[in-house]
Amino acid sequence: DQQVKQNSPSLSVQEGRISILNCDYTNSMFDYFLWYKKYPAEGPTFLISISSIKDKNEDGRFTVFLNKSAKHLSLHIVPSQPGDSAVYFCAASAQSNYQLIWGAGTKLIIKP
Amino acid sequence: EAGVTQFPSHSVIEKGQTVTLRCDPISGHDNLYWYRRVMGKEIKFLLHFVKESKQDESGMPNNRFLAERTGGTYSTLKVQPAELEDSGVYFCASSQDLREETQYFGPGTRLLVL
Repeated sequence: DQQVKQNSPSLSVQEGRISILNCDYTNSMFDYFLWYKKYPAEGPTFLISISSIKDKNEDGRFTVFLNKSAKHLSLHIVPSQPGDSAVYFCAASAQSNYQLIWGAGTKLIIKP
Repeated sequence: EAGVTQFPSHSVIEKGQTVTLRCDPISGHDNLYWYRRVMGKEIKFLLHFVKESKQDESGMPNNRFLAERTGGTYSTLKVQPAELEDSGVYFCASSQDLREETQYFGPGTRLLVL
C-alpha cells in the first residue's frame, strides 16, 4: 500500500507562471517531509523540507505547504524557469525511523 | 570533492544471471543507503549501512539480493539469480549524519533483466 502518493504523473506550466506539485500521505506517524528534484540520468537532489510542526517553509522561489489535517503537502515554484523541468519526488519519514518513503514522482515541464 | 559514484551505469542481463552493482560513497560518509525505482513507480528503500554494519535491511525484497560493505567504504549489491521484476534503477546514497536531507545520491544503475 502506497503511503506517499503523487497523483499527477506530469504537469506542464508556462515559463514565468506558478508550478504547484501535490503530494498526499496516509501515515499519520510521518513528521518530516522532503521534496527532491531529479534530472535524467542523475540521482535525486534535495530541494526543500518541512517539519510537521510547521505549515510553510520557503526557500527562494520554492515554498512547501503542509496541511496535516488533510495529510497533504504541496510545492510551489514561482516564477517557473526552464531549468525547473525535472521529475519532482515527495518523500516522508517518521522520527522514530529515518527511512524515507517516496512518492512516484511528477514530471514537470516548463514551456517557453 | 567527488560525489557518490555507481558502477555500472547500465546493465542488461538475462533472467537467471547474476549482477553486482557497486557504490562508492562520498569519502567520510558512514551512512550508505540503497534504493530502487521500478519503471515509473516510487523510489523504494532497500537498506541502510552504518559503516560496515547493516542498520536496516527491511526493504530488501528477498534473499536473491545480497548487500555488503566490507571495510565500511564501498558497497556492493548482488542480485542472484536475477528475475524480470528486478529491472529498474538502483540508487545509492550516502550521508555523514542521519538527517534525511543530507543524503547525497549517485546517478543510479539502470538494470534491465530480459
